[in-house]
Amino acid sequence: NAGVMQNPRHLVRRRGQEARLRCSPMKGHSHVYWYRQLPEEGLKFMVYLQKENIIDESGMPKERFSAEFPKEGPSILRIQQVVRGDSAAYFCASSPIIVGVSDTQYFGPGTRLTVL
Amino acid sequence: AQSVTQLDSQVPVFEEAPVELRCNYSSSVSVYLFWYVQYPNQGLQLLLKYLSGSTLVKGINGFEAEFNKSQTSFHLRKPSVHISDTAEYFCAVSETSGTYKYIFGTGTRLKVLA
Repeated sequence: NAGVMQNPRHLVRRRGQEARLRCSPMKGHSHVYWYRQLPEEGLKFMVYLQKENIIDESGMPKERFSAEFPKEGPSILRIQQVVRGDSAAYFCASSPIIVGVSDTQYFGPGTRLTVL
Repeated sequence: AQSVTQLDSQVPVFEEAPVELRCNYSSSVSVYLFWYVQYPNQGLQLLLKYLSGSTLVKGINGFEAEFNKSQTSFHLRKPSVHISDTAEYFCAVSETSGTYKYIFGTGTRLKVLA
């Protein structure tokens, strides 16, 4: 069973460009979480999605950031008009169906975004 | 709202010595507790978790942690560390209902010295 896949692993963008990060959850997992890790800091929750639904986006910046998890295909985190402060590692985690009890989140290897 | 405090940003320790990495949390509701390890330029790997039951939890690679509700702590321990344990360790909590999103501490960098 393959783990959580993220691509690309490294992404370099110039200021003003768009960054598109992809996450394929583990097989059978229908819950996806995105976290951001700024240099020398811990991970901060951004958004929680289920298939075709955004459940909690309380950690997403109000502008330029969006996320989706379509019925088919990977989850996408999109950052428009990137700025230097967006440089960070972005981690995706997936979790199986939650039936009344929390379950572990399994993390991907991350996408390291560098904005020049 | 929850918060997690990892007071030690860096912990140097000699090989084969014991180590304890501290984690304290604050929450007005019940939480689940987790420890993850992150090796350089890699993702996070689960070491252990506490959901319910016995307060002493054993994980992978010889690590264990003890949940102390009265002190709101979940300290991670290993009786004898190896060079390969050098990594960043993150403590996290999630609510026992709702979205289950994780709140992470800022991490503790464990450096094992030869």
